[in-house]
Amino acid sequence: DAKTTQPPSMDCAEGRAANLPCNHSTISGNEYVYWYRQIHSQGPQYIIHGLKNNETNEMASLIITEDRKSSTLILPHATLRDTAVYYCIVIYNQGGKLIFGQGTELSVKP
Amino acid sequence: GAVVSQHPSRVICKSGTSVKIECRSLDFQATTMFWYRQFPKQSLMLMATSNEGSKATYEQGVEKDKFLINHASLTLSTLTVTSAHPEDSSFYICSARSPESRTGRATQYFGPGTRLTVL
Repeated sequence: DAKTTQPPSMDCAEGRAANLPCNHSTISGNEYVYWYRQIHSQGPQYIIHGLKNNETNEMASLIITEDRKSSTLILPHATLRDTAVYYCIVIYNQGGKLIFGQGTELSVKP
Repeated sequence: GAVVSQHPSRVICKSGTSVKIECRSLDFQATTMFWYRQFPKQSLMLMATSNEGSKATYEQGVEKDKFLINHASLTLSTLTVTSAHPEDSSFYICSARSPESRTGRATQYFGPGTRLTVL
């Protein structure tokens, strides 16, 4: 499975959009990009996933570059409850094992 | 999203005892479940893959005789930490893979975790 690179931490003002980048330059054609988040002392929560098209759901949007070497998770209106560690994971197919990196610790501030 | 439960949510035990943690998928049948461990300020580490009706597959460096996994039904997997020691104190999290009918949604749903403290 392709390795991902994320900034270790980011800050965002409450109410503003949070844009979390992920680099996956070695991704192959049939590998998916998944995003999970973990709020302190809880199990990870699924956010969104995509293959090559941009995706949007009730939680977030996922923008994948045309060459698929990077992606951005967008939380359109961040709230204090969005403070968490966000993990970008690339897996071979929807049945692959999720291997977690260090993620990005997002702090949403009032 | 789908619901995965874990029991207990926290447990404190004495060194040398065994502790069993249950993981249940409440609204779907999961042929595959996963067990992770997380130490403070670290990321999740995959311990093993649990397949219903067959032996678990352990990641490199994880002792299969110490961490016994039983996936006896399509909704239940258990992790038993045998002869627990203080270094086994950690946050244990399970996840369940949803069936193919949910294609287009998340493949793995996570439980809330179990905090184990070994005295």
